[in-house]
Amino acid sequence: ETGVTQTPRHLVMGMTNKKSLKCEQHLGHNAMYWYKQSAKKPLELMFVYSLEERVENNSVPSRFSPECPNSSHLFLHLHTLQPEDSALYLCASSQDPGGWADTQYFGPGTRLTVL
Amino acid sequence: AQTVTQSQPEMSVQEAETVTLSCTYDTSESDYYLFWYKQPPSRQMILVIRQEAYKQQNATENRFSVNFQKAAKSFSLKISDSQLGDAAMYFCAYRSAQSGGSNYKLTFGKGTLLTVNP
Repeated sequence: ETGVTQTPRHLVMGMTNKKSLKCEQHLGHNAMYWYKQSAKKPLELMFVYSLEERVENNSVPSRFSPECPNSSHLFLHLHTLQPEDSALYLCASSQDPGGWADTQYFGPGTRLTVL
Repeated sequence: AQTVTQSQPEMSVQEAETVTLSCTYDTSESDYYLFWYKQPPSRQMILVIRQEAYKQQNATENRFSVNFQKAAKSFSLKISDSQLGDAAMYFCAYRSAQSGGSNYKLTFGKGTLLTVNP
């Protein structure tokens, strides 16, 4: 595997389910990000981890719970979601968050549908 | 707070022709970075080109080039010799270069859907 991978690619869940999204980066980067992409809206930054420490928690509801066990893996735990949470969830990673040469590399996303 | 505006929700171009996608942004900062990302139907977001605000020279990457007008806060993307594989959603993004704070944060526009006609 190369770059940034995400599993599953598609997920359908009921409002009472608990599920997790997984992201893995194979680039040796130090930072990982979760974004939400909804139709006709700009990408919304949800969480940022730098060296496994959360540095951004962008007023995201507590039904989304991130976990970063190491610099290569990032999870997004989901529980009691709402239909408006249906969206494409993108993971990204970068080498030097905030550095002049820093560039974020994205995964293919997980298409989440909440029924 | 910074904002990024892409005023063209959709654009189309004939294969082999040239197309320009518009992006404007609002910021009070003098030092920042600008990016164009491409998201094909497969959904993987790919970096197309980046520009440092302190550089007057416009960035180029093969068939992709930008027209960066700092005073006008404009950052358009020109795609020359368009190919079918260029069909995608294109996002313009801004990142602050100020030390400290949330300078890792990308602010995106809503995107422009580019169709390439054979």
